[in-house]
Parts: sequence; C-alpha cells; structure tokens
Amino acid sequence: GAVVSQHPSWVICKSGTSVKIECRSLDFQATTMFWYRQFPKQSLMLMATSNEGSKATYEQGVEKDKFLINHASLTLSTLTVTSAHPEDSSFYICSASSGHQETQYFGPGTRLLVL
Amino acid sequence: AQTVTQSQPEMSVQEAETVTLSCTYDTSESDYYLFWYKQPPSRQMILVIRQEAYKQQNATENRFSVNFQKAAKSFSLKISDSQLGDAAMYFCAYRSFRDDKIIFGKGTRLHILP
Repeated sequence: GAVVSQHPSWVICKSGTSVKIECRSLDFQATTMFWYRQFPKQSLMLMATSNEGSKATYEQGVEKDKFLINHASLTLSTLTVTSAHPEDSSFYICSASSGHQETQYFGPGTRLLVL
Repeated sequence: AQTVTQSQPEMSVQEAETVTLSCTYDTSESDYYLFWYKQPPSRQMILVIRQEAYKQQNATENRFSVNFQKAAKSFSLKISDSQLGDAAMYFCAYRSFRDDKIIFGKGTRLHILP
C-alpha cells in the first residue's frame, strides 16, 4: 500500500513557541490531506482538510490562526501549531488521498508535548 | 450530521476464539463507505476492512469479516481465530461520498487472552 510519513515523530517545545509538523506522501500524489488530533485514549478528531494549492477547510471549533495548514505540493502538507500552549499537547495524525473517494492512507503520527 | 457509535469500550477474547465488535451509525445519505481501522500500541492507523454501502455482500479480509445491515445502520466486525497480534484499539468509521471526511467512533479496545 501507499506510504505516508510524518516528521517529527515526537517533539517537545516550550510554551509560546511554534512547532511545524510535516506530512509527506512518499509514493503517490496526494491531492487531499487531512489532519487529525487524538487525545489519550480517545478517538481521532478531524481538524482540517487541505487540497493542494488551496486554503485548508477547518472543522468547527478549530482555530485556523492557531493551526496553520499549508499544502503547497502534491506530496507535502504542513501543520504549524502557533504559540503553543500545554493544552495543545496531543497526538497529531495526517492522512493523504490521491483523489475523491480514493483510499486515505495514514501517517504514523506526531506526539507533541508543550511544556 | 453523521455519527458513529461503538458501545463496547473494551472487550476480551481468548486466543484462537472468535469475537465480534459492534458499531452503529447514523446518516441520511444513501451512498457512503464504512471502515474498521486498527490502532496498535504504535498508534499507526491500519485499515482492516472496507465496505461500500451500495454493495450488499459483506466484505471479508482473511480472518476479518463484517456484518453490514444497511437498514439497521449496523456494521459489526468479526475476528476469527484471534491472535495475540490482534490486540489493539479498533475504530469503526464512516466516510461520505460527498466530501471524503472520515468520522470515527470512540473505539473498542480489544484484549487477547493467551
């Protein structure tokens, strides 16, 4: 199956700093990428959907100025957590799809800890 | 809005036995996909099985099979000959034909007893 990578796999940062997480599709062109957040022992919650070359669509309750998403190429999307605070600590997962109704492939996730 | 409900937070099964995980969903759409994902301790999401709503035949992948009841909006997962490697969190999920968003249930943690 197709492979999606995320970098870094885990990151620790100080409160107030910004953190960038990369999501890459390694062997296919991802026209759409999705960003999820997962709290401990909870389910995945969709944060936003990004299509290559256009602005991301955020789910209700997700602050777009807080979580900046850039999908500048068909293989890379980035999520930047700006001015991170301890409550932003979570597991962030991306998924990528080559088109409408195509299978979504998930990345391995990024664990963020904000001190 | 679509919802996915998994009523069993945890389940246990003896190794080599069969276990069924329950899932119900709510939607007003007629075309959609349903999935079961497995999330082991590594937290990598793994697609176990997929069902298109327009197909009446239940999907099967080796030891994994589903019982899809469209009218009842039920989508259970049966795992036969359970193995220790099956221990994980299992998420039932719904995806609309319309916008590709995946909605996940809260998950069922499956323990395999040796």
